[in-house]
This record gives sequence, C-alpha cells and structure tokens, in this order.
Amino acid sequence: GNSVTQMQGQVTLSEEEFLFINCTYSTTGYPTLFWYVQYPGEGPQLLLKVTTANNKGSSRGFEATYDKGTTSFHLQKASVQESDSAVYYCVLGDSNYNVLYFGSGTKLTVEP
Amino acid sequence: NAGVIQTPRHKVTGKGQEATLWCEPISGHSAVFWYRQTIVQGLEFLTYFRNQAPIDDSGMPKERFSAQMPNQSHSTLKIQSTQPQDSAVYLCASSLDPGQDTQYFGPGTRLLVL
Repeated sequence: GNSVTQMQGQVTLSEEEFLFINCTYSTTGYPTLFWYVQYPGEGPQLLLKVTTANNKGSSRGFEATYDKGTTSFHLQKASVQESDSAVYYCVLGDSNYNVLYFGSGTKLTVEP
Repeated sequence: NAGVIQTPRHKVTGKGQEATLWCEPISGHSAVFWYRQTIVQGLEFLTYFRNQAPIDDSGMPKERFSAQMPNQSHSTLKIQSTQPQDSAVYLCASSLDPGQDTQYFGPGTRLLVL
C-alpha cells in the first residue's frame, strides 16, 4: 500500500537558520511526491511537487528532492523567516494522483 | 476565484444527531475530494468524485457516513447518528483534473460532537 512516514513532529529555528525536513515513503506504483503547508485555520496548500527522482522542485525559497533508492524525500530552505512558521506535510500521490497520502506533519516555529 | 468553499465552518452536534457538511468546489474543477483531519490520525482520505460520479470511497467508514455530489457545484458529506469520535476537521478539495493537477483545499468544517 501507500504510506508516508514523517518523523519530525516539531522543529524550532531562529530566523535565517537552515531548515531540513525528511520523510520516507512506501508505494507499489510510481510516486509523485508533494510538500503541502498548512497555516492555522486554513486548509493545506501546495508548496512543491516533485515528479522525478533526483530532480529538484523549488518554490518560495524552498527546495525538495527525492531519492528513489532510499525511498526518502526532503524539504529544505537555506534561510527561514518568521512567516514560514506553519505545519509542513510530506505527501505521496498515488499513481493517478487521485488520492493524497499525508505524513503526520512537522510543525515549524521560527523565532525572531 | 473564491477557492473551495466549505460551510458551515464550525458545527456542534449532540451525540446521535445528524450532521451535513457542504462543499462548493472551484468552478470548472472536475474532481472533488473529502478528507478528515484529527490530531491522532492526521489527514486521512475519505472519498472522491470525478464529474459528479463516485470513484473511490475506500476511506469512508462503512457505517453512518455518506457523500453525494448532486451537481457540479456542490458536494455533501453526511454523518448520521454522530458520535464523539467523529469530532474532526473535515476538509474538501477540488482539482481541475485528478490525474494532472493540484488539489486545492477549502478551510474545512470543524465538527464537534458532544
């Protein structure tokens, strides 16, 4: 079946520090991997999509890649800002993108 | 573009009552998805429709939960005889084409069953 494991439940950083969040996935098909971000009182919104292993997706200063060999994917940002504080989800799309499988989320708090 | 609209934003019901949640997808989107979000289980898929037809309801609880899409402009999720464990945020998402496009989420309906 399809599943995503996201181990970091909470990350606290100071502004301008480096962010790295890692997930592992399991699927029997060809994965499409996403990162969604959720702000309080809102639904999740797409941050990045990565469709090809070892290729980078990037948006708003965030970068994401995945490694098919280790079935892992990660999100990074060189210098976080207080406005980046939110919950970040690694998400696996099934082979037809019909269903999204969410990780448990990483709550990022960026302190000024 | 108003985005996905969900009503009500908050709903409180007594145990055993019925709850109906509404979703209006983005105009022109052919696919509608329902998810449930709780602290314990996280974000879980419930069901989805394509061009108003039910395609996959593998995440729906077998009893008391049902979903419909009577027209292209709205979908409903109905929970009969609500139980405290049904308390959650119910999220609706739509996409232009389920195989090719991003899912856009609404703000959710927070259901509290007392």
